[in-house]
Amino acid sequence: GNSVTQMEGPVTLSEEAFLTINCTYTATGYPSLFWYVQYPGEGLQLLLKATKADDKGSNKGFEATYRKETTSFHLEKGSVQVSDSAVYFCALPAASARQLTFGSGTQLTVLP
Amino acid sequence: DSGVTQTPKHLITATGQRVTLRCSPRSGDLSVYWYQQSLDQGLQFLIHYYNGEERAKGNILERFSAQQFPDLHSELNLSSLELGDSALYFCASSVSSSQVNTEAFFGQGTRLTVV
Repeated sequence: GNSVTQMEGPVTLSEEAFLTINCTYTATGYPSLFWYVQYPGEGLQLLLKATKADDKGSNKGFEATYRKETTSFHLEKGSVQVSDSAVYFCALPAASARQLTFGSGTQLTVLP
Repeated sequence: DSGVTQTPKHLITATGQRVTLRCSPRSGDLSVYWYQQSLDQGLQFLIHYYNGEERAKGNILERFSAQQFPDLHSELNLSSLELGDSALYFCASSVSSSQVNTEAFFGQGTRLTVV
């Protein structure tokens, strides 16, 4: 079935540092890919998505490009803020296409 | 605020007991998904309902069951609880019957502690 492998955490950065969180996937066909974010004490919320190869999803300064050659969807941000401290999940639809399959999550802490 | 309401926020109960977790989806959303989040297993899909009908089952134990009512709220019933059932249980809703291209909106979760 479809699966994602996500960079292990935790990741600790200083404010204004560059962020990359790696995500690679295994899937039948070319499903949509997602990044969800979970802030402390809250549920997950969609950060960005890409629906086809070479698409770039972006939101709140975060970007991820759907690369079918490397089966990757790495999350990047040029300058992180303390408020970006959260857990980030890469996800894609399960083979059944009914529900999402999530990566293990990467805890990001940004220090002032 | 995602619009998805889960109650209770916290639940502490003893082994062997039964609990019911409740989820009210966003207004207009017909799909409800239940996920379990634990430190060792990550975020695991349990079950999906669409407009009152069960559509998909994931890694849901036989001791667990769920239903979606005519008003579209959903309940997850956990019985014969074990220490290993301690986790954060999330409900998510979406307007369509799949999460392929449709954003899912998550509640804040119910933290279950089994002692």
